[in-house]
Parts: sequence; structure tokens; C-alpha cells
Amino acid sequence: NAGVTQTPKFRVLKTGQSMTLLCAQDMNHEYMYWYRQDPGMGLRLIHYSVGEGTTAKGEVPDGYNVSRLKKQNFLLGLESAAPSQTSVYFCASSPSQDNEQYFGPGTRLTVT
Amino acid sequence: GEDVEQSLFLSVREGDSSVINCTYTDSSSTYLYWYKQEPGAGLQLLTYIFSNMDMKQDQRLTVLLNKKDKHLSLRIADTQTGDSAIYFCALRRSGTYKYIFGTGTRLKVLA
Repeated sequence: NAGVTQTPKFRVLKTGQSMTLLCAQDMNHEYMYWYRQDPGMGLRLIHYSVGEGTTAKGEVPDGYNVSRLKKQNFLLGLESAAPSQTSVYFCASSPSQDNEQYFGPGTRLTVT
Repeated sequence: GEDVEQSLFLSVREGDSSVINCTYTDSSSTYLYWYKQEPGAGLQLLTYIFSNMDMKQDQRLTVLLNKKDKHLSLRIADTQTGDSAIYFCALRRSGTYKYIFGTGTRLKVLA
């Protein structure tokens, strides 16, 4: 089992560019999550999904979109990147809402 | 709103014990977690405690929960250089997916 994987590991974007971050899990988990981690702050939830074909907003959803076309994949899109979106992005998954979450290794994104 | 606070830094000598503290405001949390994040890596679940427990021990790790003071701590015995990392406490209510994370404590172990 690879667990939760994320691609890419690093990316540098210019303001206004778009990109998609990919999260994949091989544990057959129903729930998947996207977080961002900023210095001196805990992880904040961007969007989450309770199953294939569903998505919902988290704490800080503005500027991001997500899709869950397949159960094992959860994509995070930035349509027009801004410097405020410079962060480390973590994906996580869990079997249900009442279980601990398993985290991927993170994607470090810099927007210049 | 809900708030979880941790001190930002802790430095200890190899072989000493480390105590990482977490204070919170939400008394309805059922699960209280400790995660470890090594440089360049994701969060790894170390241990967790239910809100109806006062203490949990797992090898070198001891978790203490003081519900009255809303204080959670993680003690690492015989701290090693490999324990250098950022440690996050996180809280969750039973039946929900929502985690509330602390700000993280960076532990530095000096040889």
C-alpha cells in the first residue's frame, strides 16, 4: 500500500497561472480532504469530499476548486494563482467521518 | 470559536524527556491526537486519547489529558535526535470529520 500520494512535490507558479494538484489513495477510503499549512498556523481545511462525485467547502475554500471523479483521486485546482496561495498543501483520507485521517507528504507551492 | 494553542519551539538535550503542551477551548472534543511532521514529510499519527481518559502510555510516549484545565500534553521519554520534528495536537468531535489543529511545536533535540 502506497497510502496517500500527492503530485507534484514542488511547484512554482506566476500570478494568474493555473494548476491542478493530484491526490491519490489506495486504501478505498470514502472521505478525502485538502488542507493548506502556513507558517505558525495549524492546518486549515480547504475542501473535502464524502465520496465519489461529491465535494464540499471547508474553512478556506476561496480561490480553489476540487473534483472527485474517481473514489481514489481528489484533485485541487487553482484557476488563477495569487501570492496568498503560497503554502504547503496536504491531502488526507479517512474511511469515514469518524476515523482518523491519513496524510500525504505534501506539495510545496510558491506563487510569485 | 474553537482555538488550539501550542508553544512554537522546544529544545531539549538527547536523552532528556520532552514535554509538548497543548491548550484548547472546545470541551466537546472526543478524540485528541498527536501528529508528528518530519522535514519535507506529511503528518504521521503518533497517538491519540479519548476524552474520557486521563492518560495513555505507548512505549516512550505518554499522553496526559486534564479536562478541567483543557490541557493536553505529550511526553517523550529518552528523546532522540530522530524525534526532532514539528508536533501538532488536533481535536475532533465524535461523529464528525472536522479536525481543529494546533499551531505546531518545533522540537529540536541537541546531541
